[in-house]
Amino acid sequence: DSGVTQTPKHLITATGQRVTLRCSPRSGDLSVYWYQQSLDQGLQFLIQYYNGEERAKGNILERFSAQQFPDLHSELNLSSLELGDSALYFCASSVAVLASDTQYFGPGTRLTVL
Amino acid sequence: AQKVTQAQTEISVVEKEDVTLDCVYETRDTTYYLFWYKQPPSGELVFLIRRNSFDEQNEISGRYSWNFQKSTSSFNFTITASQVVDSAVYFCALSGGTASKLTFGTGTRLQVTL
Repeated sequence: DSGVTQTPKHLITATGQRVTLRCSPRSGDLSVYWYQQSLDQGLQFLIQYYNGEERAKGNILERFSAQQFPDLHSELNLSSLELGDSALYFCASSVAVLASDTQYFGPGTRLTVL
Repeated sequence: AQKVTQAQTEISVVEKEDVTLDCVYETRDTTYYLFWYKQPPSGELVFLIRRNSFDEQNEISGRYSWNFQKSTSSFNFTITASQVVDSAVYFCALSGGTASKLTFGTGTRLQVTL
């Protein structure tokens, strides 16, 4: 158990809908990362937050947004969902923002868009 | 830009065989970090090791060992006396410079059979 929690574990929804994925980092970690794992794109970095502020952005679609709250948990919002958004979404956390910081991953949320 | 290549898509071995998973990376950063993660069938990503670019010492942890060679930009992972529980997808990843985000390879699926 990495100490990172993600809810829900599975999510099934329809095209055009909006969903929210939630992540709680390990105790003491200030950075939260979101990654998407899909068959065609592999594991891709979406976005990073550090202590409530956006720190880095990857190939995140405009339909997707995220935030980190004062208690350090993070939410990833996906809207106007398309079939291609079906994927496993991972949250990871680390102590700070250094490239040397090890990221510990949550169990993931499997999103299925029908 | 950073890139990680895992040329082996899938490897099948019989239990007790040794197996080496290859990882080749590209980066312009002078200081960088290499990671291996394991994704068992249950889906979570489990951290295995982190290696700094300035430390080329090989590392051994039980049946696992890692060979880092800067001259060939490789960070290979060997499992000695493989076991069925080693069956998983293994990812090599890279971070560096001022960016802590991880760039992942496409993964190598290891199947260990009796």
